[in-house]
Amino acid sequence: ETGVTQTPRHLVMGMTNKKSLKCEQHLGHNAMYWYKQSAKKPLELMFVYNFKEQTENNSVPSRFSPECPNSSHLFLHLHTLQPEDSALYLCASSQGEGNQETQYFGPGTRLLVL
Amino acid sequence: EDQVTQSPEALRLQEGESSSLNCSYTVSGLRGLFWYRQDPGKGPEFLFTLYSAGEEKEKERLKATLTKKESFLHITAPKPEDSATYLCAALEGGSYIPTFGRGTSLIVHP
Repeated sequence: ETGVTQTPRHLVMGMTNKKSLKCEQHLGHNAMYWYKQSAKKPLELMFVYNFKEQTENNSVPSRFSPECPNSSHLFLHLHTLQPEDSALYLCASSQGEGNQETQYFGPGTRLLVL
Repeated sequence: EDQVTQSPEALRLQEGESSSLNCSYTVSGLRGLFWYRQDPGKGPEFLFTLYSAGEEKEKERLKATLTKKESFLHITAPKPEDSATYLCAALEGGSYIPTFGRGTSLIVHP
């Protein structure tokens, strides 16, 4: 595997379900990001981890819970979501603060909440 | 007010009809300006990073340029496979997290 991978690619869940999104980067980067992308809206930054420490939480509802066990893996735990949470969830990585900041994105997880 | 504004929102071209996409930014002390291509239902694919006014970068039919207030993505003789949404993002001085624009949706008709 190369670059940034995400699983699953598609997910349908009910509002009472609990699920997790997984992201893995194979680029030796130190920063990882979760973005939400809805139709006709710009990318919304959700969380940032730099050297495994969470440095940004953009007022995201608590029904989204990130986890970064190491600099290569990032999870987004989902519970009791709402239909308006349906979107494309993108993971990205970069070298991290103070270094080359170009972000590289994964293919995304298309989430549908029923 | 958006710090990064892309125009037009949508653009339709005939194959071979060259054009330019605009990305204007108001971030302070620009450290980097990024261009991405995004196909429907997929993650953004990195195209270019520009660091200083006057810089240009090229890749196949695409050329990105940067001034102190805006960046252009020039598309020369586009083909239908160039159809995608093109995103730009600006990185402010003192930050390592870029601000994204809303994108330009490009459709190239054969």
